[in-house]
Amino acid sequence: EAGVTQFPSHSVIEKGQTVTLRCDPISGHDNLYWYRRVMGKEIKFLLHFVKESKQDESGMPNNRFLAERTGGTYSTLKVQPAELEDSGVYFCASSQTPGQANYGYTFGSGTRLTVV
Amino acid sequence: GENVEQHPSTLSVQEGDSAVIKCTYSDSASNYFPWYKQELGKGPQLIIDIRSNVGEKKDQRIAVTLNKTAKHFSLHITETQPEDSAVYFCAASKGGSYIPTFGRGTSLIVHP
Repeated sequence: EAGVTQFPSHSVIEKGQTVTLRCDPISGHDNLYWYRRVMGKEIKFLLHFVKESKQDESGMPNNRFLAERTGGTYSTLKVQPAELEDSGVYFCASSQTPGQANYGYTFGSGTRLTVV
Repeated sequence: GENVEQHPSTLSVQEGDSAVIKCTYSDSASNYFPWYKQELGKGPQLIIDIRSNVGEKKDQRIAVTLNKTAKHFSLHITETQPEDSAVYFCAASKGGSYIPTFGRGTSLIVHP
């Protein structure tokens, strides 16, 4: 079984530019989550998709962040325009059924975003 | 909302020693406590978890303890090996579809 795939693995962009991160969940996993870790801090929840619908987007920092999951398969997270404080590692995770939080997620390797 | 504190932020041990990472949580309704290990270049991976109806759980060299009264839970690694070097995250959730809250992580370094 292929794991959760994220790309790019690294991205360095200038302040004000746009970046799009992509996540391919494990096939058949309806639940997809985006998280972010700023260096030295906790892994912080951004949002949760169930299939193509946003179940919970309470962690999205502001309207410069836009997440989509068209067709309920892969997801993209766009940051436009990027600011310095957006730097960090963005993780995607997927799970099979609602309530899978009880059993842990499968995380991707993350995208390290550096805004200069 | 839930707040999870994790200590220490860095832990350096000699191979063969034991390592202990401690977490506290604030929401007494939390009942599920997973631990994740993140190796360099990889995403966090679930290594062990505990539910609030038990006080301790073991899996080979790792164990987790939970004190519900004090709202503390800890990860214990015995006979550490260099491959145990990684960042470890604790988390707490109310189970079900509730989103877990993570700690800040502990960077464990095991010196050969």
